[in-house]
Amino acid sequence: ETGVTQTPRHLVMGMTNKKSLKCEQHLGHNAMYWYKQSAKKPLELMFVYNFKEQTENNSVPSRFSPECPNSSHLFLHLHTLQPEDSALYLCASSQAGTRYEQYFGPGTRLTVT
Amino acid sequence: AQKVTQAQTEISVVEKEDVTLDCVYETRDTTYYLFWYKQPPSGELVFLIRRNSFDEQNEISGRYSWNFQKSTSSFNFTITASQVVDSAVYFCALRNYGGSQGNLIFGKGTKLSVKP
Repeated sequence: ETGVTQTPRHLVMGMTNKKSLKCEQHLGHNAMYWYKQSAKKPLELMFVYNFKEQTENNSVPSRFSPECPNSSHLFLHLHTLQPEDSALYLCASSQAGTRYEQYFGPGTRLTVT
Repeated sequence: AQKVTQAQTEISVVEKEDVTLDCVYETRDTTYYLFWYKQPPSGELVFLIRRNSFDEQNEISGRYSWNFQKSTSSFNFTITASQVVDSAVYFCALRNYGGSQGNLIFGKGTKLSVKP
C-alpha cells in the first residue's frame, strides 16, 4: 500500500448505529487530519493530530470521536449520527508544521439513513 | 482574515484547449503557503503544487503551469492542451506560516470539464 488509504470507501448506517472509519498513511508523516466534505459546504477541517496528540478540534459534535493510536493510523468513531452528517469524510497526513502539503486519502462516502 | 476566492464555479472546454483557473487570496501575513489540489470524480484530493510566499517564480510541470503574483494576490493555474483526464474539481488553498497547522483555507473549487 502506498499513500493514504481509507476504509470503508462507502458506508450506509442508521442513526442508532455505531461504526468506525479507518485511515492509514504509509508516508512516514507525523500529522493526520479528518475533513468533512458535503455538497453544500467547502471542505471542513474536523480534527488535527500531531505525533498522536490531538491538537485541534474544530468544534465537532461529540457524536464524532477520533482516535489516533500511532502516527500511521487514525480512526473516526461514529455514533447516533444525523442525516445531515452524510458526506465524504477525507483523511489526510503531512509532516508536522504549517509549511507542508497534506496528502489525502480517497475518502469514505457516508450515508446516514 | 484569510480567504481564498475561486470565482469560476465551472469551466467547460474542448480537448486540446488551454484553460486557466483563477485563484485570488487574502491574508495579512507576510509568510504563507499556497497550494493547488485536484479532486477527480473518485473523490481523492491530489496534491499538485505548493508555493511559498517569498518565491514568486512561476513553475511549469509538463502541461501544468502556475503564475504566482503577490502584487495582485493571485495564484493562477493553467493547463495547456487539456485532456479529458483533466476533468476534475480543482481547489486552491492558503495557509499562513504563523497560523495553526489545521488552518488550511480552501477555495470553493472550480469544476473543469474537458470534452473530447
